[in-house]
Amino acid sequence: EDKVVQSPLSLVVHEGDTVTLNCSYEVTNFRSLLWYKQEKKAPTFLFMLTSSGIEKKSGRLSSILDKKELFSILNITATQTGDSAIYLCAVRYTGNQFYFGTGTSLTVIP
Amino acid sequence: NAGVTQTPKFQVLKTGQSMTLQCAQDMNHEYMSWYRQDPGMGLRLIHYSVGAGITDQGEVPNGYNVSRSTTEDFPLRLLSAAPSQTSVYFCASRTIRGLAGDSYEQYFGPGTRLTVT
Repeated sequence: EDKVVQSPLSLVVHEGDTVTLNCSYEVTNFRSLLWYKQEKKAPTFLFMLTSSGIEKKSGRLSSILDKKELFSILNITATQTGDSAIYLCAVRYTGNQFYFGTGTSLTVIP
Repeated sequence: NAGVTQTPKFQVLKTGQSMTLQCAQDMNHEYMSWYRQDPGMGLRLIHYSVGAGITDQGEVPNGYNVSRSTTEDFPLRLLSAAPSQTSVYFCASRTIRGLAGDSYEQYFGPGTRLTVT
């Protein structure tokens, strides 16, 4: 059965810490992996990854995919309180369908 | 641009009632979809559409109907609400650029929180 598993489920850190969020997957017909940030309401897009070993970066956030070991990580350096959110991982397995993980809830304490 | 809008924000239904959740986007996106988000389950795809007149089922379509008569609107209908349909519903849209340039980034609406008693 296809699945996307995120870990940890929740995380509490202090401002300035670096965090690593994990997403592992077992999905037939893998096409790409996407990361989203969900604050109070709607998820917003962070990255899309299709190739192993190529890091995507946006400011303090970065992500990389390992298609051999079937996982991706999302790193956040020098965390700020505004990084507090649920981070969702989604795997595209057909042209238009995605499996989402349950998310990692990150809380950054001042 | 308003982006993706959803109405209502909150709704309480009794078992057996029907209702329609509205979704509209003003970005001329071809692709629109509906998800439900439940604690411990992540987002699950209900139905999606790649253009006006074309709809298809996602992972959890039972109990829901959709139609796409215009590019802008993609309503989700619950024909006979059940407590198991208590959830937060998100509508999303994206453009379809073609394989080479498509980021598959979806734009999500603010969600509708539905409670069925």
